[in-house]
Amino acid sequence: AQSVTQLGSHVSVSEGALVLLRCNYSSSVPPYLFWYVQYPNQGLQLLLKYTSAATLVKGINGFEAEFKKSETSFHLTKPSAHMSDAAEYFCAVSENTGFQKLVFGTGTRLLVSP
Amino acid sequence: EADIYQTPRYLVIGTGKKITLECSQTMGHDKMYWYQQDPGMELHLIHYSYGVNSTEKGDLSSESTVSRIRTEHFPLTLESARPSHTSQYLCATGQPSGNTIYFGEGSWLTVV
Repeated sequence: AQSVTQLGSHVSVSEGALVLLRCNYSSSVPPYLFWYVQYPNQGLQLLLKYTSAATLVKGINGFEAEFKKSETSFHLTKPSAHMSDAAEYFCAVSENTGFQKLVFGTGTRLLVSP
Repeated sequence: EADIYQTPRYLVIGTGKKITLECSQTMGHDKMYWYQQDPGMELHLIHYSYGVNSTEKGDLSSESTVSRIRTEHFPLTLESARPSHTSQYLCATGQPSGNTIYFGEGSWLTVV
């Protein structure tokens, strides 16, 4: 079975500081990995995805993530936080075969202070 | 990007009432999903569909039911709502050969 662990339910940064949101996965087959962002009272928006191509994936809004198979990790980073980045971030994994079903982590709330 | 429309966005309803949450999409995607998300928690898959006349139960047991009579519609029904059904319900779609799942804005259900 697949699973995702997101370390830290809350992460606080200052505006302009580095953002690092951690995600570790477990999968018995080569995974697809995703980061979604959720703003209050809204659905999920895809930030970026890893689908077995380049291990460093660039997404929207200046975010990027690196797939590290040896560490089973897919951490999300952004060099400089902006106030508008404050939201809930979800890491998700799906099998690289057949029907796509996402398994989500518990989410990390990013707080950005002036 | 998929255009996914969920109605109602917010619903407060009494215990025992029947409710249907509507989900429609305009991109012709075969795969559709319903996820349930309690406040501040992760999402859990409760139903999915490969296409017309296909419905499957997801990883989290749910008393809701779904139907897929048309490609673009995937409504979710609760025959008798209970306070334990209070949650956010998110509809999603996926392309036939793609690996990305797109989400609607969600329906917030409160059962009092």
